[in-house]
Amino acid sequence: GAVVSQHPSWVICKSGTSVKIECRSLDFQATTMFWYRQFPKQSLMLMATSNEGSKATYEQGVEKDKFLINHASLTLSTLTVTSAHPEDSSFYICSARDWGSYEQYFGPGTRLTVT
Amino acid sequence: AQSVTQLGSHVSVSEGALVLLRCNYSSSVPPYLFWYVQYPNQGLQLLLKYTSAATLVKGINGFEAEFKKSETSFHLTKPSAHMSDAAEYFCAVSDRAGGYNKLIFGAGTRLAVHP
Repeated sequence: GAVVSQHPSWVICKSGTSVKIECRSLDFQATTMFWYRQFPKQSLMLMATSNEGSKATYEQGVEKDKFLINHASLTLSTLTVTSAHPEDSSFYICSARDWGSYEQYFGPGTRLTVT
Repeated sequence: AQSVTQLGSHVSVSEGALVLLRCNYSSSVPPYLFWYVQYPNQGLQLLLKYTSAATLVKGINGFEAEFKKSETSFHLTKPSAHMSDAAEYFCAVSDRAGGYNKLIFGAGTRLAVHP
């Protein structure tokens, strides 16, 4: 089956530093990837849609300069949280859409803790 | 705009009992509807999806859901709960333009299964 990986699975960083999270489709090509944020015991909130070779489309209220998204290849998208603050602590989940079947597959998530 | 409402943030059933998780949607276009399951600290796993074929959709792990346009509902059921079904369940809606687009999630329902 289609597999999406995320790295790292968890990360702790100090306030003011930047953190990069990778999302990879392991056995299929993904022209579109999605980044979600999930607070404890809450639902997933879409942050942005990432299309290979073009700029990401951010949802209303999401700071594009703070959450930098790069989708440089058909199998890799990255989310960089710049100048992280404690309020950025959250569970970040990506999903990748198979360009052939349009099925969307989710990664296992990355837990970010900013101290 | 599309939206999803999940009635009941917590549902508790006995092992072997019927599971019923409620989902109502709002969409100005014919929707695609999904149910996902999330175990603690993990990503989302697709249980089943409705894409305008049969209104009764069978998924994995014995779950099924029925699309009822007149009631704008897509409730998830399982005849007999198992302890391993304890998890968070999310209903989601997507429009059909260009295949599966971004997913809009409901708030989630936490299912507890007790002996």
